[in-house]
Amino acid sequence: EIVLTQSPATLSLSPGERATLSCRASQSVNSYLAWYQQKPGQAPRLLIYDASNRATGIPARFSGSGSGTDFTLTISSLEPEDFAVYYCQQSSSWPPLTFGGGTKVEIK
Amino acid sequence: EVQLVESGGGLVKPGGSLRLSCAASGFIFSSYSMNWVRQAPGTGLEWVSSISSSSSHIFYADSVKGRFTISRDNARDSLYLQMNSLRAEDTAVYYCARARIGTTGDLDYWGQGTLVTVSS
Repeated sequence: EIVLTQSPATLSLSPGERATLSCRASQSVNSYLAWYQQKPGQAPRLLIYDASNRATGIPARFSGSGSGTDFTLTISSLEPEDFAVYYCQQSSSWPPLTFGGGTKVEIK
Repeated sequence: EVQLVESGGGLVKPGGSLRLSCAASGFIFSSYSMNWVRQAPGTGLEWVSSISSSSSHIFYADSVKGRFTISRDNARDSLYLQMNSLRAEDTAVYYCARARIGTTGDLDYWGQGTLVTVSS
């Protein structure tokens, strides 16, 4: 089973700042890496698939990069609605599909 | 508009059974693989099960294998999860999620979730 480790666990930033979230895989997932955003009481929302492709309707301030074992989600300038928990997920080697433990982006 | 609406959650005793349903609309259901993903209170996401568009390929997480059964009815645009021998650790919000077309693992639409509580 591929384990995904996200860091940091919590990121405290102010609106307008740049957020950089990391996801590391225990073995190569090529580019089969997705990112999701989840707000309290809501279902997750797909942001990025195949490591760097924005899903439909996702603003350009969200970008993904990486391949193999190291991946990054960048939010170029945080908007108030971006404060949430973010999860990475791999679909390279499954079952099982696996998720990272999440990074909470909170208001500083 | 793509919509996924789960139902069937509730309170059940350990060892009991429950059947979750997910009603799909706004897309050609029979063309997409579907998944169940759960989230225990205050924790992260855990994939539970996947079923291909024609039901030819079905997969389960080890934690539910032998106890849960995923199925779908393409004529009714519906996805199901039969859960037997429920345990306290199965307590979670259960989401149905569509896989992006042509894939099985990029989950591009999710329902609002249904809460399953296993407790005596």
